[in-house]
Amino acid sequence: DAGVIQSPRHEVTEMGQEVTLRCKPISGHNSLFWYRQTMMRGLELLIYFNNNVPIDDSGMPEDRFSAKMPNASFSTLKIQPSEPRDSAVYFCASILWGGSEGYTFGSGTRLTVV
Amino acid sequence: DAKTTQPPSMDCAEGRAANLPCNHSTISGNEYVYWYRQIHSQGPQYIIHGLKNNETNEMASLIITEDRKSSTLILPHATLRDTAVYYCIVFGHQGGKLIFGQGTELSVKP
Repeated sequence: DAGVIQSPRHEVTEMGQEVTLRCKPISGHNSLFWYRQTMMRGLELLIYFNNNVPIDDSGMPEDRFSAKMPNASFSTLKIQPSEPRDSAVYFCASILWGGSEGYTFGSGTRLTVV
Repeated sequence: DAKTTQPPSMDCAEGRAANLPCNHSTISGNEYVYWYRQIHSQGPQYIIHGLKNNETNEMASLIITEDRKSSTLILPHATLRDTAVYYCIVFGHQGGKLIFGQGTELSVKP
């Protein structure tokens, strides 16, 4: 398995533009998580899905952020409009509940909003 | 909020065992202890987890005290590539969410 795949690896955008981050979880995993990491705040959970259904979005910072999981093999995190304070590394992770290991994380998307 | 306490940093000599402590005095009966590490610029990597018994895999050993209020992750022969931030996390398996604290920054030195 190729693991959790995120795209793009790097994104530089101007303030006010829409940004879409993409994630492909490991095939067969039934939960997906979006995290954000900054130096100041560390790793923060934004939202997670069980069986493609959003369960907890209490970590989403504001209405500019939205996430979808239209099927078991794809999820997006959208920021519209983007702001410089959104600059961070965004990680996606997936897990098969009841499996022998924990979450598997992707390599992340480094977002810079200028 | 994270329910664990870890030292912010530790050093270890290459080839020696690295013992990383974690306190989790409020752990519930159905919560597991998980360890992850994050090497600079990469996504966190799962290492090991346990409920009450000690566990060992190809990466590390996990020692959990009998009262389950603390644990120690052991890297038996640390290498320079083990330099990373190590996170100790407690959570249940009922679809719970993994909440990261600040972790321990381990530096393995030649």
